[in-house]
Amino acid sequence: QKEVEQNSGPLSVPEGAIASLNCTYSDRGSQSFFWYRQYSGKSPELIMSIYSNGDKEDGRFTAQLNKASQYVSLLIRDSQPSDSATYLCAVTTDQAGTALIFGKGTTLSVSS
Amino acid sequence: NAGVTQTPKFRILKIGQSMTLQCTQDMNHNYMYWYRQDPGMGLKLIYYSVGAGITDKGEVPNGYNVSRSTTEDFPLRLELAAPSQTSVYFCASSYRDNSYEQYFGPGTRLTVT
Repeated sequence: QKEVEQNSGPLSVPEGAIASLNCTYSDRGSQSFFWYRQYSGKSPELIMSIYSNGDKEDGRFTAQLNKASQYVSLLIRDSQPSDSATYLCAVTTDQAGTALIFGKGTTLSVSS
Repeated sequence: NAGVTQTPKFRILKIGQSMTLQCTQDMNHNYMYWYRQDPGMGLKLIYYSVGAGITDKGEVPNGYNVSRSTTEDFPLRLELAAPSQTSVYFCASSYRDNSYEQYFGPGTRLTVT
């Protein structure tokens, strides 16, 4: 069974701090990795995608990938109360990239 | 572009009833997907389609059917609704490129009682 694991949280950080969210996956063949943000009662919103080892930065967000350790992380710098949401990690499970396996998500709470 | 749209937003079904959840995208995406999300759980893939006329089962297909007659539309059919199908249903779509980035519709909240 291919799995994606995340700590459910809640992860609580003060405003302005760095939030670090982590994800591990079981399928060594996974090639594409994504972070989605989901506000309560809303649909998932794609915020980062990463395909090769290393870091990828987009504004306040940095995704980190280590395929050897089967580990993906998301750093949110200068966290804002509006970042409070559930963050879902997703990975592709086949060569065609037609299927994503999602983790259960980590709930982030940013206090002002 | 409206992106991915879903109807209805909410629905209550009685056990044994049937219904179709509608999904439409205007981004000319080849790939479309149906997921369900239960409280506190990740999304589970029900069915997906790589193009008009082509569909395939995902992780949790039992109790559902799909069809894809056009690029834009990917309806999900529930036959003989059961309480276990109470969930939030999301439709998503993506380009047929190497990004595999999926974009989600707003969801349909379904309750079966």
